[in-house]
Amino acid sequence: KAGVTQTPRYLIKTRGQQVTLSCSPISGHRSVSWYQQTPGQGLQFLFEYFSETQRNKGNFPGRFSGRQFSNSRSEMNVSTLELGDSALYLCASSSVAGANNEQFFGPGTRLTVL
Amino acid sequence: GDSVTQMEGPVTLSEEAFLTINCTYTATGYPSLFWYVQYPGEGLQLLLKATKADDKGSNKGFEATYRKETTSFHLEKGSVQVSDSAVYFCALERRDSSYKLIFGSGTRLLVRP
Repeated sequence: KAGVTQTPRYLIKTRGQQVTLSCSPISGHRSVSWYQQTPGQGLQFLFEYFSETQRNKGNFPGRFSGRQFSNSRSEMNVSTLELGDSALYLCASSSVAGANNEQFFGPGTRLTVL
Repeated sequence: GDSVTQMEGPVTLSEEAFLTINCTYTATGYPSLFWYVQYPGEGLQLLLKATKADDKGSNKGFEATYRKETTSFHLEKGSVQVSDSAVYFCALERRDSSYKLIFGSGTRLLVRP
């Protein structure tokens, strides 16, 4: 079974631009979560989608948004990029939403904002 | 709010040494606890988990026991290998409606031959 895939793997943008990251979950998985990883803040939860609905959202500004499609693929968008948005963005999928369902992580998209 | 505290790294050990990485948590209720490992250039992989007090998670020679009385979930391995060099993250899963993972800051382990 193929793992979680994320595209692109690397991105370089400039301040003020916007960016869209893509995540394809493991086949059959319906829950997708996004996390931001930075050296200063560590791993922080962005949001979770299940069956095309955002179930939960972390403490991030409205510039961070996401969506999920009917095939469970998910995208996250960051508008008006800031230098502090430079990070590794990790996507994780699980078969269902709920406790004790193992989340499988993708390799991440490394975003650099210049 | 819920939080996870890990010992700061890097932890540098010689091959075959004993490993302990400390992890303590603060949470309401009884969260599930996890250890994830991140190898260079890769995403996170689940290493082991425990879902209730006194449970012991184990995988690939690594072990951790869910200690409710000390709110701890320390990671141990009896004999580390060079291939164990990675960053290790302790995490808890909230038991409210969010089910999101809350991670510690990560501990880098470097094993020398």
